[in-house]
Amino acid sequence: DTGVSQDPRHKITKRGQNVTFRCDPISEHNRLYWYRQTLGQGPEFLTYFQNEAQLEKSRLLSDRFSAERPKGSFSTLEIQRTEQGDSAMYLCASSFERTLGTEAFFGQGTRLTVV
Amino acid sequence: DQQVKQNSPSLSVQEGRISILNCDYTNSMFDYFLWYKKYPAEGPTFLISISSIKDKNEDGRFTVFLNKSAKHLSLHIVPSQPGDSAVYFCAASAAGTASKLTFGTGTRLQVTL
Repeated sequence: DTGVSQDPRHKITKRGQNVTFRCDPISEHNRLYWYRQTLGQGPEFLTYFQNEAQLEKSRLLSDRFSAERPKGSFSTLEIQRTEQGDSAMYLCASSFERTLGTEAFFGQGTRLTVV
Repeated sequence: DQQVKQNSPSLSVQEGRISILNCDYTNSMFDYFLWYKKYPAEGPTFLISISSIKDKNEDGRFTVFLNKSAKHLSLHIVPSQPGDSAVYFCAASAAGTASKLTFGTGTRLQVTL
């Protein structure tokens, strides 16, 4: 399977714990995005990388959130001191860089439940 | 500030008929539009896209129409099949934003037998 892969698929954690999610993008894609989706809403942009550089972060991304993409390959999203409001589906996507718009391909997501 | 709006939360269509899903946007900087399909507990799957230099793009049973003056796009599925039952999201990106997507809230399509 050469699509976007996310791990784990599901995570239940207690409030205050730290969690880390992993995303493996499509190998030839140089852009990687993180989105968050809550019930009844569309995915909301969190951050993106071009190769290993994190070029933009949404104001939705509080200082408890950090993302990395070492060596421009896989990416991790860490949430520190989780809160119940962090419960959501976290989606990773990857794409080519093109002059005009390009479609992003999404992974299956990580469902986070904070109890 | 909802820049991409899907005003119909749900739509029910009979198998074989046409499904029309609508989307409106407010940001005139958007120049690339996409439709994604999403099943429960799965990530969105890319369906079809259209650049602002076109007004129609077709791929098999799926056609997207763009009306820039009205800031409106629609997705037509014909003929509709039961496997099309899912939530459909409209998304848009603007030039110079690294294809960062702004999504609508989705329309749940149910195709009945």
